[in-house]
Amino acid sequence: GAVVSQHPSWVICKSGTSVKIECRSLDFQATTMFWYRQFPKQSLMLMATSNEGSKATYEQGVEKDKFLINHASLTLSTLTVTSAHPEDSSFYICSARDLLKGDYQPQHFGDGTRLSIL
Amino acid sequence: GQNIDQPTEMTATEGAIVQINCTYQTSGFNGLFWYQQHAGEAPTFLSYNVLDGLEEKGRFSSFLSRSKGYSYLLLKELQMKDSASYLCANMDSNYQLIWGAGTKLIIKP
Repeated sequence: GAVVSQHPSWVICKSGTSVKIECRSLDFQATTMFWYRQFPKQSLMLMATSNEGSKATYEQGVEKDKFLINHASLTLSTLTVTSAHPEDSSFYICSARDLLKGDYQPQHFGDGTRLSIL
Repeated sequence: GQNIDQPTEMTATEGAIVQINCTYQTSGFNGLFWYQQHAGEAPTFLSYNVLDGLEEKGRFSSFLSRSKGYSYLLLKELQMKDSASYLCANMDSNYQLIWGAGTKLIIKP
């Protein structure tokens, strides 16, 4: 149980392109999902908390207009990197918790999306 | 402030035992998590401690002392596939995970 699917796994695109990443909880409902970014050899950095049916909560220093988050259903959240530039190249990972089982549940991660902007 | 400390890197021998320590100072406490992350992959959940003591799960065990703000992950009978980064994370009063930088574990034959 508690499977999270993330697509695409790998994206290579030109500078200025917008890229959409999907995160789905396959066998549970996730009212809250989390979006992380991880640069090589660095720790996970929480970008935003995605809340179903409401606006995402962004961490300090993360541009809301740059990283658009939509959480339209209990099983799907999307992150759109708008007008991506080379400095946006990173490993983006989503996670979700099955809150029906209580607050003290681990986050389960998608496989991540490696974004390379040329 | 919130702070999670763990060693940057450790080396151990195949078949041996290794203990990875984690100390934390966070606002509120709702549990201590350990995750394993292989290079280029997303983290996978290993263990969760909310009460003091040792939780054993096969070759992996995790210990917590809330009064000391301290946890460790114990890996026994090390295998080459255990080479990975091990992330300590504290769930704070808002049920958010505060992540350590991770400990890179290198297993040598």
